Amino acid sequence: EVQLVESGGGLVQPGRSMKLSCAASGFTFSNYGMAWVRQAPTKGLEWVATISYDGSSTYYRDSVKGRFTISRDNAKSTLYLQMNSLRSEDTATYYCTRERMGRYFDYWGQGVMVTVSS
Amino acid sequence: DIQMTQSPSFLSASVGDRVTINCKASQNINRYLNWYQQKLGEAPKLLIYNANSLQTGIPSRFSGSGSGTDFTLTISSLQPEDVATYFCLQHNSWPRTFGGGTKLELK
Repeated sequence: EVQLVESGGGLVQPGRSMKLSCAASGFTFSNYGMAWVRQAPTKGLEWVATISYDGSSTYYRDSVKGRFTISRDNAKSTLYLQMNSLRSEDTATYYCTRERMGRYFDYWGQGVMVTVSS
Repeated sequence: DIQMTQSPSFLSASVGDRVTINCKASQNINRYLNWYQQKLGEAPKLLIYNANSLQTGIPSRFSGSGSGTDFTLTISSLQPEDVATYFCLQHNSWPRTFGGGTKLELK
């Protein structure tokens, strides 16, 4: 059974950093691209970043480029999102998701809440 | 960026009704359009990928159609457990972009 379990969220002050993790199990992690998608409270979904199966390629939305870094450790089957210079508009539930054939997200974690506030 | 315009934003229907939700892309996205269902407090669930392919385990009352810029999600006979918000997602170009969502309620 595919499982994606996010951790590392919480309350953080504006301008500070936070690192999210996503532990994957039930599939061969190193064969799949992975992504982070977020959802602000009562809002819609917003793609944040994607990383290729081997970590050689990464893609970001403009609003997080230069502040967020997506990475992975295939030996540990874990996906990461390092978030620096956090802003109030980064407040959201962050979902880890598996990308299939580069064309759709098929499995999602339950999400982790990040609140940026002083 | 490709804009995804989803309609309607809200939909009220009765059990057994045929329900359609539309998604329009601001430019050609071929068939790289996916549909998700999100129930309150839960993660999104993939229903349809590549415009018309039914994800494993999803009931056959859900179907998708379209290509290019215009896409449709159809529920052939609405069930109580289908109450949720539905999102479309284009996976053709960067950045990936979602529709604004359709909240489906029972009448």
